[in-house]
Amino acid sequence: QLLESGGGLIHPGGSLRLSCVASGFRFRSFAMSWVRQAPGKGLEWVAGLSGNVGSTYIAESVKGRFSVSRDPFRDTLYLQMDSLRVDDTAIYFCAKDLEPTDLLESFDLWGPGTLVTVSS
Amino acid sequence: QSVLTQPPSVSGAPGQRVTISCSGGRSNIGSGSVTWYQQLPGAAPKLLIFNTYQRPSGVPDRFSGSKSGTSASLAISGLQSEDEADFYCAARDDSVSGYVFGTGTRVTVL
Repeated sequence: QLLESGGGLIHPGGSLRLSCVASGFRFRSFAMSWVRQAPGKGLEWVAGLSGNVGSTYIAESVKGRFSVSRDPFRDTLYLQMDSLRVDDTAIYFCAKDLEPTDLLESFDLWGPGTLVTVSS
Repeated sequence: QSVLTQPPSVSGAPGQRVTISCSGGRSNIGSGSVTWYQQLPGAAPKLLIFNTYQRPSGVPDRFSGSKSGTSASLAISGLQSEDEADFYCAARDDSVSGYVFGTGTRVTVL
């Protein structure tokens, strides 16, 4: 199971940190990702983190503003979002890769999402 | 921003077969496997097809995936009312060291 938190209303230029608590699987062994969906729009992959080694991958649209990390002792994935813009408004989902050996292949477990609204 | 192109919508009567196309490039579909997700209204996406052809347990065999070159397809046979949803293809993209989703296709059961 995955459960996101940390969303809310934030002014443009502000910062927010999203959390995703995992349970029911060996969290540190699996690659994890953040995927967002703007209101009425499609899915957009935002960031990923490999299992074990913890290499990070960031989408060009948020590079330099967003970062991803994990705390293996708390089974928690984070998304640090800085310099937020109005077009960052979206539901943010965390998702788990299907197999421990996978990296950005197929996401078999998703959280319900947390809504981030960037508005003045 | 999507680099995988899908038709915005497809429709069919109950029991019919529909297909959804997904057009990409050599750095994504052309070089690896394709994944399909189903998203019901107000819900998180659900894994439907992985490794281009495979179905997770619990997904009916009415859903099938295929790939040729830089394009992929999802076929839904025996269309049912509960299949009304948005469907997305996806693949890893080596040119951007990331993951890309398709533009999404809404399936309507007439």
